[in-house]
Amino acid sequence: QQQVKQSPQSLIVQKGGISIINCAYENTAFDYFPWYQQFPGKGPALLIAIRPDVSEKKEGRFTISFNKSAKQFSLHIMDSQPGDSATYFCAASETSGSRLTFGEGTQLTVNP
Amino acid sequence: NAGVTQTPKFQVLKTGQSMTLQCAQDMNHNSMYWYRQDPGMGLRLIYYSASEGTTDKGEVPNGYNVSRLNKREFSLRLESAAPSQTSVYFCASSDLRQGDYEQYFGPGTRLTVT
Repeated sequence: QQQVKQSPQSLIVQKGGISIINCAYENTAFDYFPWYQQFPGKGPALLIAIRPDVSEKKEGRFTISFNKSAKQFSLHIMDSQPGDSATYFCAASETSGSRLTFGEGTQLTVNP
Repeated sequence: NAGVTQTPKFQVLKTGQSMTLQCAQDMNHNSMYWYRQDPGMGLRLIYYSASEGTTDKGEVPNGYNVSRLNKREFSLRLESAAPSQTSVYFCASSDLRQGDYEQYFGPGTRLTVT
């Protein structure tokens, strides 16, 4: 049973456009929601993370929007660049932080 | 700092063979993890070690064993490899004592079982 569902599986965006990736979770005990970015042949790396006491967090061109009542969160990439082309994973964990549950991943391609 | 290192980078095994994947971190982190990554399934936790001397099962532990050799090293062993274990394996570490849940990943080991 996948506790974190991610969509879409793949996404193609033009340079300068907005990329939006969505995740939904089931476990109401989750209280830490990170996004990881992975380039081909590399391990994932933390991009941005949010806790449920805020509804939005922005870091540069990357924004997480969080809807606790709907149990959904999303990643928005503004002014998408070809260098953003990668696989993005949402994840969630409970307070202990020791067990991350990942979504299925979204392969983003930004065309020049 | 090298961060998290994994060996080997690539491995091909025949069904029934055994092997150990090695992982080491030089960030003095207390927690270490093993994940497998398969297309369309994200990363799934195999085993983790919250601190030196402890290990716990994750989501998909069957067919694997782990050893937390010391604070730096955490190995994953396949006793009798099966084609279903063909995957990319990632080791990660974190320092939960600081209240920072960020996990730092190694470059991965691509394993093929024929």
